[in-house]
Amino acid sequence: TQLLEQSPQFLSIQEGENLTVYCNSSSVFSSLQWYRQEPGEGPVLLVTVVTGGEVKKLKRLTFQFGDARKDSSLHITAAQPGDTGLYLCAYSQGGSEKLVFGKGTKLTVNP
Amino acid sequence: NAGVTQTPKFRILKIGQSMTLQCAQDMNHNYMYWYRQDPGMGLKLIYYSVGAGITDKGEVPNGYNVSRSTTEDFPLRLELAAPSQTSVYFCASRPGGAGQPQHFGDGTRLSIL
Repeated sequence: TQLLEQSPQFLSIQEGENLTVYCNSSSVFSSLQWYRQEPGEGPVLLVTVVTGGEVKKLKRLTFQFGDARKDSSLHITAAQPGDTGLYLCAYSQGGSEKLVFGKGTKLTVNP
Repeated sequence: NAGVTQTPKFRILKIGQSMTLQCAQDMNHNYMYWYRQDPGMGLKLIYYSVGAGITDKGEVPNGYNVSRSTTEDFPLRLELAAPSQTSVYFCASRPGGAGQPQHFGDGTRLSIL
């Protein structure tokens, strides 16, 4: 099982700031998924990245998949309190039906 | 528009008691999953199922059992509850096909005292 390292583990910022969180591994992924989990709820898929170097945008969120497909980043522009939550990356183990999750980055955006 | 429904939302058990966590989905998904989420530890897979009548162990199956008699339902059974099973439990489902996202329920918060 490949290990997914997410950093930072915790991040507390003020509304309007920009931030980047990371998901790294020593192995190559066929694809990577990013989820956001709000307090008291289950995770919800934000995006799936598949191609090395791929960049996907979702409003103020920009996702990038590394050229070598070993890492990914999530950049949030002008963060808002509604962005508060746990951001999880996950990969499909060996193309199987199982997902392996990182431990997540807990983001708090203060008004 | 129910999606994945988990019941109960909260439960407190005494050590040694048993209970069943219910999970139902109305999306006709073949794949279903049970995870536990401990603080700072992410999501760990307990059991999963690729279709009715088929189940398999995940990363942390000890102390749990599952069954999948229908496509819709995937209950998780705790026998002889232990304090180490205090956690938030999430059920998820997804359709077939590579890279399909998992759809999660809102979780069951379980405390064992």
